[in-house]
Amino acid sequence: SQQGEEDPQALSIQEGENATMNCSYKTSINNLQWYRQNSGRGLVHLILIRSNEREKHSGRLRVTLDTSKKSSSLLITASRAADTASYFCATDTGTASKLTFGTGTRLQVTL
Amino acid sequence: DTAVSQTPKYLVTQMGNDKSIKCEQNLGHDTMYWYKQDSKKFLKIMFSYNNKELIINETVPNRFSPKSPDKAHLNLHINSLELGDSAVYFCASSLPSVSDTQYFGPGTRLTVL
Repeated sequence: SQQGEEDPQALSIQEGENATMNCSYKTSINNLQWYRQNSGRGLVHLILIRSNEREKHSGRLRVTLDTSKKSSSLLITASRAADTASYFCATDTGTASKLTFGTGTRLQVTL
Repeated sequence: DTAVSQTPKYLVTQMGNDKSIKCEQNLGHDTMYWYKQDSKKFLKIMFSYNNKELIINETVPNRFSPKSPDKAHLNLHINSLELGDSAVYFCASSLPSVSDTQYFGPGTRLTVL
């Protein structure tokens, strides 16, 4: 069954604005990962946050994790047209390296 | 220098046919995966192999048979293709730790007519 649900399903912003997408999940996790998928391509890993971490940064990306609410958010600051893609959260519950992916947020950044 | 490669990129075939998709990784990873992404972009794991041994087999019809000749290769054979098998199939690999990043191939778009 699906572990993560993402919100919003689609997001359209202008270049330079910040984009925030949220992920909720159902069971306890070891870590939560965010991936990006450009149209017609495979997924690319962006950032991993462990269950004992609350916030993590990587360049223009900021991820937060609230295990009490079983939710995570991904913030992309100063967005660029090249950030246009679908973004997926994926949870690792510790079962045989299995990742369970969310439904994805489609981000459109316009000039 | 492709890390995870898949062939073919596109596959169009008739219902009832048998087809194979191949995957290779040159990252030295021990674990490889097959995922199916449907038309709504929902990505679901199908199989996982660790060092040629099957470790995850989700509820996939037995028409799908993975084969791992060595830890750098994981192929997917599909018998008696059905319309509902149309999807994009992704191969991925990772180190065996439960906390490791997965590296995805470019995908194989399968269309069953």
